Amino acid sequence: AQSVTQPDIHITVSEGASLELRCNYSYGATPYLFWYVQSPGQGLQLLLKYFSGDTLVQGIKGFEAEFKRSQSSFNLRKPSVHWSDAAEYFCAVGNTGGFKTIFGAGTRLFVKA
Amino acid sequence: EAQVTQNPRYLITVTGKKLTVTCSQNMNHEYMSWYRQDPGLGLRQIYYSMNVEVTDKGDVPEGYKVSRKEKRNFPLILESPSPNQTSLYFCASRPTGGDANTGELFFGEGSRLTVL
Repeated sequence: AQSVTQPDIHITVSEGASLELRCNYSYGATPYLFWYVQSPGQGLQLLLKYFSGDTLVQGIKGFEAEFKRSQSSFNLRKPSVHWSDAAEYFCAVGNTGGFKTIFGAGTRLFVKA
Repeated sequence: EAQVTQNPRYLITVTGKKLTVTCSQNMNHEYMSWYRQDPGLGLRQIYYSMNVEVTDKGDVPEGYKVSRKEKRNFPLILESPSPNQTSLYFCASRPTGGDANTGELFFGEGSRLTVL
């Protein structure tokens, strides 16, 4: 069955510290992988996506993610977190021809001063 | 401005009182979808539409209806709402053809529904 697992419900990091949010997926075909961010009271905004090619992808707001096929993972990273990064982050898997995008349960990021 | 617009943004209603949440997009996208977001469960797909007059069930369609009479609009209908439909609802759209089809979904700002 297709699924996305985000093992961490919430994470707290200090401002300026590095961040890694974990994502594991189960998908029968070649996956298209996404990270979305949801700020309070807002809809979801795409941070980055992976289709093929270089397994390290760069996104907006200084985020990057690395696709590791052997581990079925697509972890999101940022070298230095800013207070404005506090939000909920969703990993998702799908494809351009498919009818559905499957989302993980989300990881809520708290940033402390 | 390219956007997906949902209305209402907030609604409190009572069990059994029919309601409709509207969704409209101005990007000429073929694909539209409804999701509900519940704590610890992420986003679950309710219904989707690949184009006008083409709709299909997602993972949690029970208690919901949709229609797609026009390309830009995709309303979500709750014929007889129940408390377990209290949730945050998102409409999303994306193109399906050519280079514009990257799989990226464009989301509305959400509609928070409470059913008493």
